[in-house]
Amino acid sequence: GENVEQHPSTLSVQEGDSAVIKCTYSDSASNYFPWYKQELGKRPQLIIDIRSNVGEKKDQRIAVTLNKTAKHFSLHITETQPEDSAVYFCAAPFAGGTSYGKLTFGQGTILTVHP
Amino acid sequence: DAGITQSPRHKVTETGTPVTLRCHQTENHRYMYWYRQDPGHGLRLIHYSYGVKDTDKGEVSDGYSVSRSKTEDFLLTLESATSSQTSVYFCAISLTSGSNEQFFGPGTRLTVL
Repeated sequence: GENVEQHPSTLSVQEGDSAVIKCTYSDSASNYFPWYKQELGKRPQLIIDIRSNVGEKKDQRIAVTLNKTAKHFSLHITETQPEDSAVYFCAAPFAGGTSYGKLTFGQGTILTVHP
Repeated sequence: DAGITQSPRHKVTETGTPVTLRCHQTENHRYMYWYRQDPGHGLRLIHYSYGVKDTDKGEVSDGYSVSRSKTEDFLLTLESATSSQTSVYFCAISLTSGSNEQFFGPGTRLTVL
């Protein structure tokens, strides 16, 4: 299956700064890369995703970039706000054959935005 | 929330007892998944289903079984619970056939004493 590594495991920023979280994956055939945000005690929620036919996708203050050659993708949050504080997970599809929509998740990044 | 509910939301049980967690969806999605979430490990796939009575193992399936006798319900069973199965369990669905876009239920916190 796919191997997904996520860094850093914790990230602390001041309000208004940018935050970047990076994930690497192992299967060059992977073609879908979502990011999830999980607030304390809540379910993971899909915040943005990217497919392998594009290099960057933006949605207001968040963006995801994909480098297929290097097999990594990153989440960028600009003008961070305290409500951005959460755990963020990246994911990639299970490798090989019929994946049935299965995903492999990174280990998570705890983002803390200080007012 | 894609019409996904989980029950119970919290459960405390003792080692060796059987436990069944239920995931219920109201929107006729074909693909359903069970994950466990533990600190430092992210979300790990236990089992998944690609249709009624069609299930398969994920990456951490030992000690777990599943059943899907109808589209709307996906059951996860711990035949004999162990302390290592203390975790938060999330059910998820894919919105479209074969899509990797997954949406999660609210989770079940299970404690095995």
